[in-house]
Amino acid sequence: RKEVEQDPGPFNVPEGATVAFNCTYSNSASQSFFWYRQDCRKEPKLLMSVYSSGNEDGRFTAQLNRASQYISLLIRDSKLSDSATYLCVVNRGQAGTALIFGKGTTLSVSS
Amino acid sequence: EAGVVQSPRYKIIEKKQPVAFWCNPISGHNTLYWYLQNLGQGPELLIRYENEEAVDDSQLPKDRFSAERLKGVDSTLKIQPAELGDSAVYLCASSSGTGYGTGELFFGEGSRLTVL
Repeated sequence: RKEVEQDPGPFNVPEGATVAFNCTYSNSASQSFFWYRQDCRKEPKLLMSVYSSGNEDGRFTAQLNRASQYISLLIRDSKLSDSATYLCVVNRGQAGTALIFGKGTTLSVSS
Repeated sequence: EAGVVQSPRYKIIEKKQPVAFWCNPISGHNTLYWYLQNLGQGPELLIRYENEEAVDDSQLPKDRFSAERLKGVDSTLKIQPAELGDSAVYLCASSSGTGYGTGELFFGEGSRLTVL
């Protein structure tokens, strides 16, 4: 089992739609969580951190459920420019380890 | 301020040939990472440096891959000899001392390797 697993894609939605991505992680000692965005043939970039209390950044809402080891990203009012791959990322929190990336879920927003 | 710089952007080689990738992190970032990304997959860590020390190289295939960061600034990743399965994008990233906790890694544009 992969340490970070994401919904298989691709997600094809019309502009204005609401879309949700799910992610699960296997290491219960994981301490911090993030969503990265990667445009086609570009490098990944941090989209937002994920906090236990849930957090929102404009049209984007991230949620964390530590008990279920589950992370989500909700995008409201999708724009064409939201088309990208969204990577779920986990920091194990152990000394000497780095960020672990999920496989990514591809979103395609069409007009 | 300049971002993470990688070179070359693209490299095509025959199998069994050597190849090297270079990375210059953001100035002042003491943590440097090399990730490998295959098509349709997320980045996978190869090696992580804290200054000049490799603190996590457990995923680096040491029979053919090597890396160095001699002065704790720029870094080189080498493959010798390359195999067909090494075709991928090699991403370098850096973070500041607090970046590990904040999760903000700054990636370079990557070096796309094709092994024929």
